[in-house]
Amino acid sequence: AQSVTQLDSHVSVSEGTPVLLRCNYSSSYSPSLFWYVQHPNKGLQLLLKYTSAATLVKGINGFEAEFKKSETSFHLTKPSAHMSDAAEYFCVVNSLFGTDKLIFGTGTRLQVFP
Amino acid sequence: DVKVTQSSRYLVKRTGEKVFLECVQDMDHENMFWYRQDPGLGLRLIYFSYDVKMKEKGDIPEGYSVSREKKERFSLILESASTNQTSMYLCASIWKSGMANTGELFFGEGSRLTVL
Repeated sequence: AQSVTQLDSHVSVSEGTPVLLRCNYSSSYSPSLFWYVQHPNKGLQLLLKYTSAATLVKGINGFEAEFKKSETSFHLTKPSAHMSDAAEYFCVVNSLFGTDKLIFGTGTRLQVFP
Repeated sequence: DVKVTQSSRYLVKRTGEKVFLECVQDMDHENMFWYRQDPGLGLRLIYFSYDVKMKEKGDIPEGYSVSREKKERFSLILESASTNQTSMYLCASIWKSGMANTGELFFGEGSRLTVL
């Protein structure tokens, strides 16, 4: 069975400060892990993905995430927040084989203050 | 530019009405999905389809049906709309290579349905 837990429903940061969005996963198989972003009134867009290659994954817009098997975590980070980063972020887990159903976390809403 | 298009961005319907939500993708993807998005609940899978005329129930199929007559088109049907189906509905598609999928879902912009 697979599941994903986003530990914070809301995160607020000031512009220019670091961003940390936390995600823990559970998977019976070697997981594939993803972060998606949703801006207001838009569909979801892929930020980055981990598929058993390098454990530090770089994505679009300066975001990156590190896969830590020992901690079953896949936290999303960015060194310096920008106002345009304000959005909802979803952590997603899937196994490469055996299922086509991606499991979504409940989302973290990121607010960025000037 | 790859695209998933949902025909209606905003709909208002009355209880008991039949509702059709249409989704078209231009990427020749095999798999298509319908999700429902509600605050605090994330995305929940209603139905998915891995081929024309094939469908599988997701986690919350009750009250919904789907149709996939052509590869590029996947429709969600509410046979008799109820107020608890007021929600944002998101269509998505994904590319597969053999047994593996790429994991990258391409989403439409969503259809916000209000049932009065």
